[in-house]
Amino acid sequence: QAQLVQSGAEVKKPGASVKVSCKPSGYTFTSYGLTWVRQAPGQGLEWMGWISAYYGSTIYAQKFQDRVTLTTDTSTSTAYMDLRSLGFDDTAVYYCARGSGRHLDYWGQGTLVTVSS
Amino acid sequence: QSALTQPRSVSGSRGQSVTISCTGTSSDVGGYNYVSWYQQHPGRAPKLMIYDVSERPSGVPDRFSGSKSANTASLTISGLQAEDEADYYCCSYAGSFYVFGTGTKVTVL
Repeated sequence: QAQLVQSGAEVKKPGASVKVSCKPSGYTFTSYGLTWVRQAPGQGLEWMGWISAYYGSTIYAQKFQDRVTLTTDTSTSTAYMDLRSLGFDDTAVYYCARGSGRHLDYWGQGTLVTVSS
Repeated sequence: QSALTQPRSVSGSRGQSVTISCTGTSSDVGGYNYVSWYQQHPGRAPKLMIYDVSERPSGVPDRFSGSKSANTASLTISGLQAEDEADYYCCSYAGSFYVFGTGTKVTVL
């Protein structure tokens, strides 16, 4: 049974950056891609991007193209989402999820990022 | 990359059936058989319910079913149960990226 464990909640000031980690277990890390999704308070799900854990190749949503970087560390089997130039509207729960085919079969517990002055 | 359109809410009594629509375009829903559906209870992470339009992961009750016609996908919950009350999101592959639906709150009366 796959499990994805994310890092804890963060509070950041406007203009700062945040780095959220995601550590899967229960499967071979490099066999699946990882997708990042966010959800603002009371809002819907928003697809941010995807990374191949094997090749490190990435695809980003146009909206986040200039501000987000997805990486993986195969030595520790950990994925990271780095979001820069934070604004108040980046306050959200950020999820990582395992990509299996064209769907997301296992999700992390979510990481709340709060942007506050 | 606009969100797919879902009704804001649907409701039904226990035992009844409800259907949630998910409308996109020929560039996403209509162009690929890669529509998935996710259930989300308050404060919880989403859970995969349907993938590839109509496939059900193991462990998901068979009262959940999916279909697609042209640019609209649908999720049907038959024999509605109290635990089905949640938010539901569709998601479609759109040719390198993905787009989620706006979300539908299902209320069990």
